[in-house]
Amino acid sequence: DSGVTQTPKHLITATGQRVTLRCSPRSGDLSVYWYQQSLDQGLQFLIQYYNGEERAKGNILERFSAQQFPDLHSELNLSSLELGDSALYFCASSVEGGYTGELFFGEGSRLTVL
Amino acid sequence: AQSVTQLDSHVSVSEGTPVLLRCNYSSSYSPSLFWYVQHPNKGLQLLLKYTSAATLVKGINGFEAEFKKSETSFHLTKPSAHMSDAAEYFCVVRIGGSQGNLIFGKGTKLSVKP
Repeated sequence: DSGVTQTPKHLITATGQRVTLRCSPRSGDLSVYWYQQSLDQGLQFLIQYYNGEERAKGNILERFSAQQFPDLHSELNLSSLELGDSALYFCASSVEGGYTGELFFGEGSRLTVL
Repeated sequence: AQSVTQLDSHVSVSEGTPVLLRCNYSSSYSPSLFWYVQHPNKGLQLLLKYTSAATLVKGINGFEAEFKKSETSFHLTKPSAHMSDAAEYFCVVRIGGSQGNLIFGKGTKLSVKP
């Protein structure tokens, strides 16, 4: 158990809809990262927050947004969903804002868009 | 541009035989390199990391990797495979120094036959 909690584990929705994925980092970790994992694209970095502030941005679509709250949990909002958004979305956390390389991953939220 | 290439998408070995998962990287300066493992329906877990100290790095569960700058390689090995090693393995390079992003390889799926 990594200590990172993601909800929901599975989510099925329709095209055009909006969903919110939630992540609780390990106790004491200030950084939260979001990744998208799909068969064709592999593991893609979306965005990182550190202590409530956006720290780094990757291949995140404009239809997607995220935030980190004062209690350090984070939410990833996906809107105007398309079939291609079906993927496994991982949240990871680390103690500091930089990358020493050790990220602790949750078990993911599997999104299916029909 | 920095990148990482995992040379095999799928490797199959018999239990008790050696494991070799190959990874080549491209980096304009001394990289930090990592191997992560993902068991079915689980998040990723750090196996080991190289950060410019010893070139032979030992990780968890008997895995090790050797950094070879002349060959730009960071292959993962284990002397004797166990059934529980069946998983997907990701080679990762960190770019941009301590504040840099992580670039994940496409992954190598390891199957272990009894």
